Amino acid sequence: AQKVTQTQTSISVMEKTTVTMDCVYETQDSSYFLFWYKQTASGEIVFLIRQDSYKKENATVGHYSLNFQKPKSSIGLIITATQIEDSAVYFCAMREEGGSALGRLHFGAGTQLIVIP
Amino acid sequence: GPKVLQIPSHQIIDMGQMVTLNCDPVSNHLYFYWYKQILGQQMEFLVNFYNGKVMEKSKLFKDQFSVERPDGSYFTLKIQPTALEDSAVYFCASSWGANTGQLYFGEGSKLTVL
Repeated sequence: AQKVTQTQTSISVMEKTTVTMDCVYETQDSSYFLFWYKQTASGEIVFLIRQDSYKKENATVGHYSLNFQKPKSSIGLIITATQIEDSAVYFCAMREEGGSALGRLHFGAGTQLIVIP
Repeated sequence: GPKVLQIPSHQIIDMGQMVTLNCDPVSNHLYFYWYKQILGQQMEFLVNFYNGKVMEKSKLFKDQFSVERPDGSYFTLKIQPTALEDSAVYFCASSWGANTGQLYFGEGSKLTVL
């Protein structure tokens, strides 16, 4: 079974609007870490933002913020005031804290974001 | 930010040949990883490496795969012999801790097996 699920394959938005990308995850661990990465057209993978499961406050970095709903095992990425250069594929990922995990990331299938000028 | 360097960026080889993909991780990082991404799909974990040893590997990490980091130099992924299904982009990543901090990824090495 997939541990991280992104159901939105592709989203198109107008520049300067707000977009939300969905992600749900599965884990038995009580402590885990959630990440969003962006993969640009060149293939580069860039870390954007993280949420530690024990933190109740939603993480925010620049124009990225998270909607962490722990009871729903959901970690949505919100991008406000989108820019053309935000066009990329966005991956949600989870890292479990369990002893055998050793930092292994489970990735979702990705959501392609297209920002239209 | 911190950079992970990968060499080569693209390699084309014939099936059955050996290939070595090189990774120069972030200098103070202790954990190293290889991920495989087939075109248009998600990245999938292959292996992680710490203190000179493989700590965990996935089912994708076939017997033909091996990793090492001799004398603190490049962290390498060797495939010998290669198969057609090994064609993919291989991403190296590193992190300071196993359960702290995020992974930093290289730009990937695209492997094409003919």
